Amino acid sequence: NAGVTQNPKFQVLKTGQSMTLQCAQDMNHNSMYWYRQDPGMGLRLIYYSASEGTTDKGEVPNGYNVSRLNKREFSLRLESAAPSQTSVYFCASSEVGSGYTFGSGTRLTVV
Amino acid sequence: SQKIEQNSEALNIQEGKTATLTCNYTNYSPAYLQWYRQDPGRGPVFLLLIRENEKEKRKERLKVTFDTTLKQSLFHITASQPADSATYLCALVPNTGNQFYFGTGTSLTVIP
Repeated sequence: NAGVTQNPKFQVLKTGQSMTLQCAQDMNHNSMYWYRQDPGMGLRLIYYSASEGTTDKGEVPNGYNVSRLNKREFSLRLESAAPSQTSVYFCASSEVGSGYTFGSGTRLTVV
Repeated sequence: SQKIEQNSEALNIQEGKTATLTCNYTNYSPAYLQWYRQDPGRGPVFLLLIRENEKEKRKERLKVTFDTTLKQSLFHITASQPADSATYLCALVPNTGNQFYFGTGTSLTVIP
């Protein structure tokens, strides 16, 4: 099993450009999440989807949008990238009461 | 405000000793708490989960305790090995929701 797959692994954007981060899981989990990780800040939740067809804001949603395309896929979109969005982005999935399975991350730099 | 705090300094220990990492929280009523391992350039990997009504959980060389009175969880690695060197994250899920809140992590180095 692949677990949680994220693409791309690395990306450099210019300020104002848009992009979509892709995430797919093959474990039939209901819940999926997008986190960003910054030095000294830990993992912060951007958006999550408790089940197919639902999405909710997390701690730091501004500047992002998400789509739960189906049970497997949960994408994160930056409509107009800003340098403050330079970070490592992790997608994760889980079932209630169990641990998260994380992807390997997308390292995004906005210049 | 709600806060999760882990040992802010890096922890260095000698191979074979027991490493003890601390996770303190304020203003949460956790349903359960989890520990993760993260290696450089990789995503976190789930290690252990402990529920609010459990005092202790073990898995091989790992042990987690949970004291809801002290609002603290301790994570122990016994007979530590250089391969245990990594950053360890604690995360909790409050009773009121299903989101995880993560601490900033503690960097552990096991010296041969």
